[in-house]
Order: sequence, then C-alpha cells, then structure tokens
Amino acid sequence: KAGVTQTPRYLIKTRGQQVTLSCSPISGHRSVSWYQQTPGQGLQFLFEYFSETQRNKGNFPGRFSGRQFSNSRSEMNVSTLELGDSALYLCASSLAGNNEKLFFGSGTQLSVL
Amino acid sequence: SQQGEEDPQALSIQEGENATMNCSYKTSINNLQWYRQNSGRGLVHLILIRSNEREKHSGRLRVTLDTSKKSSSLLITASRAADTASYFCAPTNAGGTSYGKLTFGQGTILTVHP
Repeated sequence: KAGVTQTPRYLIKTRGQQVTLSCSPISGHRSVSWYQQTPGQGLQFLFEYFSETQRNKGNFPGRFSGRQFSNSRSEMNVSTLELGDSALYLCASSLAGNNEKLFFGSGTQLSVL
Repeated sequence: SQQGEEDPQALSIQEGENATMNCSYKTSINNLQWYRQNSGRGLVHLILIRSNEREKHSGRLRVTLDTSKKSSSLLITASRAADTASYFCAPTNAGGTSYGKLTFGQGTILTVHP
C-alpha cells in the first residue's frame, strides 16, 4: 500500500509569491491534516479536511488555505509569501481523522527568499 | 488537543544501551501516542496507549502511562544507530473533537552512537 505522497519535495520562492503544495493520502483515508514545522515554533497544526470539508483549523492567517478533492487528495496554498513561511510542511492522513494514528508524508521543504 | 512536554530535550547514548524519554501533560486524556521523526522527514507513528492501559509493547519499544501523574515514558531497548531521531508524544484530550489535530512538544532528540 503506497504511503502519503507530498509534492514537490523542495520549493524555493520569493517574498510576495504564492505557492501550492499537494498531498495524496493513503488509499481509503478520508482525512487529511496539514502541519507546519519550523525550528522556532516546532510542529503546528494548520487545518484538517474530511470528505472535502474543512473540519478543523489552527491559528494561522488567512493567507494559508487548503482544499480537498473528491478523491481525498488535498492541496494547501500560501499566498503573499513571507520569509517566516519558510518551513517543512507536512501532510498526514488517517481513516477518519479521530486523532488516532496519523500517517505522515515526507513533507515539502519551502524556502522563501 | 493538548500539548505534551518531552523530557529530556536531548539524549546521547551508545549502541546497545537503553533509551528512556518522558512525556508530561496537563489534563485528562483519551490516549497518548508516540511518533518518531528522522531529520527533515515526516513523522512515523510508533505506538498508541489508551487511558485505561498502563503498559504497552511493540518490538523493542515499551510505553508506560501513569494517568495519576499525567505522564508517559517511552523505552527503547538495545538501541541502534538507526534509532537516531526526534521523538514526540501527542496526548489527546478526553471528550470534544479535534479532528486531525495533534499538538506536539519540542520533542526529545535521541542520538545513538555506533
């Protein structure tokens, strides 16, 4: 069974640009969560989607958005990039999003110059 | 969901030794999970222990949970260089819904020297 796939693995952008990250969950998993990881703030929850609906959201500005498609694949978008958005962005999937046993992808390392 | 606090922040041992790391939390929980993260990669789920369990084993891993002290420990026996990673605990609150949200602490950085 294939794991969680995130693309791209690395991304370099400049301030003011926008970026879209993609996540394909494990087959059959309907919940997809997104996390941001930085050396200073650690792992922080961004949002969770289940059956194309956002069910939960962390404390991030509106520049951070996401969506989920009918096949459970998810994308997150960051608009008007800031230097502080440089981070490892992790996607995790689970069967029902009940916080038990999340399966993480390898992440997308975003660098904002 | 609530945040767990891992202790120590860093642990350095020799291959073959045991490694113990601890997690403390503040309020009652449904379950507590441990995850491992190799540098720059995603997290890997190691083990989940429920609030009505006191001890759980998985291969070389042993997790204990003391709900009266609001703490958990992860023991890795006979450590290998490949165990070098950051380890995070994630306690999940009793009640409510925190869909897809786990709150992680800063983790314990384990270094196993060959």
